[in-house]
Amino acid sequence: GAGVSQSPSNKVTEKGKDVELRCDPISGHTALYWYRQSLGQGLEFLIYFQGNSAPDKSGLPSDRFSAERTGGSVSTLTIQRTQQEDSAVYLCASSLMIYQPQHFGDGTRLSIL
Amino acid sequence: KQEVTQIPAALSVPEGENLVLNCSFTDSAIYNLQWFRQDPGKGLTSLLLIQSSQREQTSGRLNASLDKSSGRSTLYIAASQPGDSATYLCAVRRRAGGTSYGKLTFGQGTILTVHP
Repeated sequence: GAGVSQSPSNKVTEKGKDVELRCDPISGHTALYWYRQSLGQGLEFLIYFQGNSAPDKSGLPSDRFSAERTGGSVSTLTIQRTQQEDSAVYLCASSLMIYQPQHFGDGTRLSIL
Repeated sequence: KQEVTQIPAALSVPEGENLVLNCSFTDSAIYNLQWFRQDPGKGLTSLLLIQSSQREQTSGRLNASLDKSSGRSTLYIAASQPGDSATYLCAVRRRAGGTSYGKLTFGQGTILTVHP
């Protein structure tokens, strides 16, 4: 079966622009997670969604970051007014239930010029 | 706040050696611990998951142990091969009942190179 799919795989944009990153989780997985991986900070949690519960946004670094999950499936991570420090690989993961193993996509490499 | 540390940061070994990667965490109130492998430009592949009530898990040449009370886990790789070269990450998930129990907290990883 298909794994977690992320698009685009690479994104280059100018400072100040808005970007949207997409994640298609594994079918049937109720939990979806976003992480950010950068050289200086390692892998950091951003946000997760579990079923119809309110998302846990505690890892979002600023109010420029937001995410939504439509219909309990596809999720979009939006970064407004991008800054150079937003450059990183953004990884999405999903799991069958909240405590089950997380399965990761290959990520979106975001570069802010 | 949970902190996860992995030692060593990098390791280079000849093919065939047995090796141990170490992971330590500061808060023992974990639900489980997961070891991942990451190849360059790729996402994470789950290797082993150990529940807090377990002491070890095995898969093929890999064995992971967990000592929750001391906040330590080790990943043992037997008879290493060049194809094992990758970054190995450990991550802990906190116990239910608190906030953000869905997230994983990761170590910085160990970069493993196995040369022929």
